[in-house]
Formats: sequence, structure tokens, C-alpha cells
Amino acid sequence: EPEVTQTPSHQVTQMGQEVILRCVPISNHLYFYWYRQILGQKVEFLVSFYNNEISEKSEIFDDQFSVERPDGSNFTLKIRSTKLEDSAMYFCASKGGLARNYEQYFGPGTRLTVT
Amino acid sequence: KQEVTQIPAALSVPEGENLVLNCSFTDSAIYNLQWFRQDPGKGLTSLLLIQSSQREQTSGRLNASLDKSSGRSTLYIAASQPGDSATYLCAAGAGGTSYGKLTFGQGTILTVHP
Repeated sequence: EPEVTQTPSHQVTQMGQEVILRCVPISNHLYFYWYRQILGQKVEFLVSFYNNEISEKSEIFDDQFSVERPDGSNFTLKIRSTKLEDSAMYFCASKGGLARNYEQYFGPGTRLTVT
Repeated sequence: KQEVTQIPAALSVPEGENLVLNCSFTDSAIYNLQWFRQDPGKGLTSLLLIQSSQREQTSGRLNASLDKSSGRSTLYIAASQPGDSATYLCAAGAGGTSYGKLTFGQGTILTVHP
């Protein structure tokens, strides 16, 4: 069964460093998302991406964040200068269409620890 | 702004019980509603999706209902098993210009003991 994959599973970085989180969405999906979950808190929407551009972003997704689909399979989230408060689980998701019957499928997540 | 709330925050039941998890949302103009399961430290597994035009959806021992006008959804789990122990999340899907953004509740932590 097709699935969303994410690498790495765990990333430890120092404050101020740049990190890139990688995702491979399900191959025929067109809509891509990043969410994050700070420990003990709700899963929060960061950004949606379609047709090689951002379609919507939340207030969290400031200039320190960027997304890219560098080739036909990968979808990346870059944090330019990490802060302690960026420590969270980051989930990538994808879906095949925008109609009401399309589910979002989530990857296993990357746990980002900023020290 | 959509807000999603889940009640109860935690639930502990003996094996074999039928149980109901509740989800409420403030903006009834949802596109769909998805229920997920999350095991500790793991990703989100989609359980059921209910379209805004539907009243309920079933998968095995799971049945989810949706009442848009009152802003509520319930997840019914029949004949619970210890393997059902996990956190259950509901998420309201936005349509139109929101490109399917999901707004999540905080989850219900379910423990089913033998």
C-alpha cells in the first residue's frame, strides 16, 4: 500500500542552525502539507502546497520557514535558523485531490530537537 | 477561525465495552471530517473520513457520525480491544481556498485494559 515517508526520523540540531526535513508523498498525489505537533499539544497546520507554490500558510509559517518540491518525488521543509521553540514532531501529508472524499495521508513524522 | 474540541480527554475501559468519543467544531462550514489514530511517538493513521454531505461512515468496528448543523461528530468503537489503546484525533477539513487544511482537536487518550 502506498505511504508517505519522511527522513530523518529524528534530527538534533543546535539553535541557529538550518535544518531540512524531507518527505516523499504518495506518488500520484497533488496536494502536500506540513503540520507540526509540539509535545503535549495539538497538531497544527503549517503550510499547504500545490502546483509548485504555497496555497496557504499559517501564522506559524514565517520567513524562517520555506518549502520546496525540488524534483518529482521529494517535498522539503526548511527552517533557516532554528529556535528552541521549533522543537516538535513535524508531519508531512499528501492527498490525491481536493474533492470532499479525499483523505489526507500522513507520514511517520520527524522529531526535531533544538538544543 | 475553526476550533476543534474533543471530549473526554482520556478514557479507560475494560475490554469488550462499546464506547463513544466526541468531537465538536465551531465553524459548521467544514468540507469533511477525518478521524485519526496516533500511537505514542508515531504518525497519524487515518481511520475514517466523513464528507460534509454524509451523516455517517463505517469501517469494521468503527462508526463515525457527523452533524454539521450542531458542529459535532462522534466515533463509536464497538467491542473494544487492548489493541485499540491509542490517542484518537478528529480533524475538520476546510475547503475552497484552504486547499484541504485540517484543524485538529487535542485528542482522546483511550486505554482498553484486559
